[in-house]
Amino acid sequence: SYELTQPPSVSVSPGQTARITCSGDALPKKYAYWYQQKSGQAPVVVIYEDSNRPSGIPERFSGSSSGTVATLTISGAQVEDEADYYCYSTDTSGNHRVFGGGTKLTVL
Amino acid sequence: QLQLQESGPGLVKPSETLSLMCTVSGGSISSSSYYWGWIRQPPGMGLEWIGSISYSGSTFYNPSLRSRVTLSVGTSKNQISLNLTSVTAADTALYYCARQPTTLTTTPRPGFPDFWGQGALVTVSS
Repeated sequence: SYELTQPPSVSVSPGQTARITCSGDALPKKYAYWYQQKSGQAPVVVIYEDSNRPSGIPERFSGSSSGTVATLTISGAQVEDEADYYCYSTDTSGNHRVFGGGTKLTVL
Repeated sequence: QLQLQESGPGLVKPSETLSLMCTVSGGSISSSSYYWGWIRQPPGMGLEWIGSISYSGSTFYNPSLRSRVTLSVGTSKNQISLNLTSVTAADTALYYCARQPTTLTTTPRPGFPDFWGQGALVTVSS
């Protein structure tokens, strides 16, 4: 079955840039989406279609995709950005959806 | 204002069937613009897509769960239901329902979950 691979954890100091990667064989042809999940809350999409930011999401969140790797970048990470981040995409057939394993972002 | 509310038994015995309902308010599920999906999250673990269904009954299932999962739509009550058979402790999780805009491809498919319920915790235990 199709898999998306993320690092388990990323740690940065406040104000630094955090980068979280997501690897998948279908990403050259399929969009990546990024979700932020804070403790005890439902996930919220922060990036859709590789690089688009929904209204209400701070500009410090950006996304990119190149080849088989999609990247979520948080420029000038804030303490309130501490959360689990998940990428989401589909396999090449478009029939199956999958989440990455998640990355715990620590900002301190 | 759109709201999704998951409901169902919080405790299910091993080998039995887990049944959950998602009630949609503030919007209609009878629209070709959306699919409606289920996603689960075991305690302390990551997200797993279970499956998605359109108002017309078109379904997409996670291959790893396909043999045990059935999704259905109750348009008269604006509800989507999930049935998962032969459950084990590994099915203990927080179960979310979510709205998924239909992708504009040659074959309509569920897009990314853009709106989520708060989830329902289901524990499988005797």
